[in-house]
Amino acid sequence: NAGVTQTPKFRILKIGQSMTLQCAQDMNHNYMYWYRQDPGMGLKLIYYSVGAGITDKGEVPNGYNVSRSTTEDFPLRLELAAPSQTSVYFCASRMVGTQYFGPGTRLLVL
Amino acid sequence: TQLLEQSPQFLSIQEGENLTVYCNSSSVFSSLQWYRQEPGEGPVLLVTIVTGGEVKKLKRLTFQFGDARKDSSLHITAAQPGDTGLYLCAGETSGSRLTFGEGTQLTVNP
Repeated sequence: NAGVTQTPKFRILKIGQSMTLQCAQDMNHNYMYWYRQDPGMGLKLIYYSVGAGITDKGEVPNGYNVSRSTTEDFPLRLELAAPSQTSVYFCASRMVGTQYFGPGTRLLVL
Repeated sequence: TQLLEQSPQFLSIQEGENLTVYCNSSSVFSSLQWYRQEPGEGPVLLVTIVTGGEVKKLKRLTFQFGDARKDSSLHITAAQPGDTGLYLCAGETSGSRLTFGEGTQLTVNP
């Protein structure tokens, strides 16, 4: 099993551009999450999903959108990139009691 | 918004010393998790504690969940350079969401 995979690993965006961060898991987990982590800080929940077709907002959803058309995939969309969205983004999936994290996507908005 | 306060934020010690990291909240959590994160990687689960007052040991690491399920501590005995990393506590709330602390950056010097 590959676990949780994320692409790209690193991206530079200009202000106002849009992009989609990809996340996939092959463990058949129903729960999936998107977090952002600013330097030296903990993780803030952006959006989460409890199953295909069901998504909900976390602590910091503004400026982001998600979709969950399949169990495996949970992409995160940035429509109008802003410097405040410079961060490292982690996707995670969950089995009972354990969240498995992907390696992260480092995003720089200039 | 549930808040988890983690202390200290930074800790630099010599190999062989003991240390304790604290995680406190005014909220009650159904479970408390501790993660370790290395640079450029996602967090990796160390332990999940679900019962108030419970103590779990993982080799030289001892984790405790407070009786009221609002606080937790991580104690490392005889720290080694390989223990260096960012330690994150996370409390689970309803809806399978995790609230993360801000993290403790531990450096163990040889």
